[in-house]
Amino acid sequence: DIVMTQSPLSLPVTLGQSASFSCRSSQSLVYSDGNTYLNWFHQGPGQSPRRLIYKVSDRDSGVSGRFSGSGSATDFTLEISRVEAEDVGVYYCMQNTRWPITFGQGTRLEI
Amino acid sequence: DVQLLETGGDLIQWGGSLRLSCTASGFTFNTYAMSWVRQALGKGLEWVSSISGSGNSTYYADSVTGRFTISRDNSKNTMSLQMNKLRDDDTAVYYCARGGAYSSGWSVWGQGTLVTVSS
Repeated sequence: DIVMTQSPLSLPVTLGQSASFSCRSSQSLVYSDGNTYLNWFHQGPGQSPRRLIYKVSDRDSGVSGRFSGSGSATDFTLEISRVEAEDVGVYYCMQNTRWPITFGQGTRLEI
Repeated sequence: DVQLLETGGDLIQWGGSLRLSCTASGFTFNTYAMSWVRQALGKGLEWVSSISGSGNSTYYADSVTGRFTISRDNSKNTMSLQMNKLRDDDTAVYYCARGGAYSSGWSVWGQGTLVTVSS
């Protein structure tokens, strides 16, 4: 199984600052079609997960431009510029390149 | 609106069985793989099972293989998860999501349904 490791587990920030989340996979996430199926989700308190980024860097419709994804193969980053109060919650990376689909343990963003 | 609605969560005894359902609306159901993901209270997300758009291919996490069965009825836009031999560690909120492996899905999730296994 591909193990997804996120760091840090907790990230305290000040409103208006930037935040950076790391996700590393135990194997390359490049699929045979050339795509890298690495996703980022945000889960606010009491809410269902909401996807922010897919295929490493593609932003979902309606997601603020403050969110950006980058990386390749086994090393990925989600960045938030100018953190807002509504950004609190847990951020998960997930790979769906290979079965079984696996999630990182999550990083909690605290204001 | 694109929506997923889970139903069926309940308090169930250890060793018992339960069937969850997910009803989809607002998109062409049979063109998407679908999945179940669960989350124990205060814990992270855990993929449980997925099924292809046609229903011909199914996938399971090792933790549920042999106990859970995923299925779908494309004529009714529904997906189900039959859970047997339930254990304490199956206690979680179960989410259905639109998506599977090697795809750009996973943008649509339900609100979740709570399964509590009591010993």
